[in-house]
Amino acid sequence: GQQLNQSPQSMFIQEGEDVSMNCTSSSIFNTWLWYKQDPGEGPVLLIALYKAGELTSNGRLTAQFGITRKDSFLNISASIPSDVGIYFCAGLNYGGSQGNLIFGKGTKLSVKP
Amino acid sequence: EAGVTQFPSHSVIEKGQTVTLRCDPISGHDNLYWYRRVMGKEIKFLLHFVKESKQDESGMPNNRFLAERTGGTYSTLKVQPAELEDSGVYFCASSRLRAGQAFSGANVLTFGAGSRLTVL
Repeated sequence: GQQLNQSPQSMFIQEGEDVSMNCTSSSIFNTWLWYKQDPGEGPVLLIALYKAGELTSNGRLTAQFGITRKDSFLNISASIPSDVGIYFCAGLNYGGSQGNLIFGKGTKLSVKP
Repeated sequence: EAGVTQFPSHSVIEKGQTVTLRCDPISGHDNLYWYRRVMGKEIKFLLHFVKESKQDESGMPNNRFLAERTGGTYSTLKVQPAELEDSGVYFCASSRLRAGQAFSGANVLTFGAGSRLTVL
């Protein structure tokens, strides 16, 4: 089946640093989503991308939909302690069932105050 | 509005026993999804209901898993008999997406907090 390769698997950074993570796939997606999961909670949508090349920001978060439709990155600027959590990328497939998202394995972010 | 509610939050059972997980979607959301995350791996799609009908159950692992959504409201996911590899976190999500409607920020999936299943 389709897979998303998400990297890095984990990150340990100092408060104030910038963070970058990405997802790649051998398949094309027509929608890329980035979710964050806090401990004991479900994934919460951060950013949704619908067009190849699209660059979207949400506060300190910026994400881009790759031109080839096979990759996406998420950047977090000036990290703060509440950024701690697991970040997941997810792709939605052409012709797939609406909601049949393909997820990456997640990037676990730890921020030292 | 109330979010997606899942029960129980954590269940510990012996191999061979039965467990039933419940999901209450956001009121008015016709679409209900089940996903599962096994430790350290990706979140994987299990199935998708539109109201009470199974739209897509291609992700269900095997016939030990039975999902129902009688009346098109809440859903249950039963695992019988449970095996060790069934351990993980089971997420439910709902959305208001209508047939033929484009996927957009207004109808994205809202996830519940998950039900953690531990099979010993």
